[in-house]
Amino acid sequence: RKEVEQDPGPFNVPEGATVAFNCTYSNSASQSFFWYRQDCRKEPKLLMSVYSSGNEDGRFTAQLNRASQYISLLIRDSKLSDSATYLCVVNSLSGYNKLIFGAGTRLAVHP
Amino acid sequence: DAGVTQSPTHLIKTRGQQVTLRCSPKSGHDTVSWYQQALGQGPQFIFQYYEEEERQRGNFPDRFSGHQFPNYSSELNVNALLLGDSALYLCASSSGQGQETQYFGPGTRLLVL
Repeated sequence: RKEVEQDPGPFNVPEGATVAFNCTYSNSASQSFFWYRQDCRKEPKLLMSVYSSGNEDGRFTAQLNRASQYISLLIRDSKLSDSATYLCVVNSLSGYNKLIFGAGTRLAVHP
Repeated sequence: DAGVTQSPTHLIKTRGQQVTLRCSPKSGHDTVSWYQQALGQGPQFIFQYYEEEERQRGNFPDRFSGHQFPNYSSELNVNALLLGDSALYLCASSSGQGQETQYFGPGTRLLVL
């Protein structure tokens, strides 16, 4: 079983739609959680950290359910510029800041 | 303030050759991590350097080795290249020993023929 699992998509949505991505992780003792965004042939960039209380950044909302080992990302009012691959990321327990990535979920927003 | 830089941007090698990739961390960062991203996959952790020592390592063979210099820059070396080593190699820098945010460089795209 992979340590971090995501639906690969693609999710094809029209502009203005709301879309949700889900992710599960296998190690219940994991401490830090993130969503990274990766554009085609570019490096991953941090989109947002994910906290147990849930957090929001503009049109983006992230949620963490530790009991279910489940992370989600909600994008409201999708823009063409949101088209990218969204990577679910967990920080390992080693204390040495090792990131474990899911394979990514591809989002395509069309006019 | 320069971000993470990597060189070269692209590289073509043949099987059995050796390659060296370079990374300069973001200003103020002292920790460098290397990741391999195969096509259609998420990045996979190779190893991490701090204070010029390899601090931890992922599930990669000994053909993958590295080094960190006193100015915190780092190199990744891969010996005896295989076709399966074709990937995007990403360097990420961060500060200290905690769970600080990692910033990624643009990567080096390696093709092994």
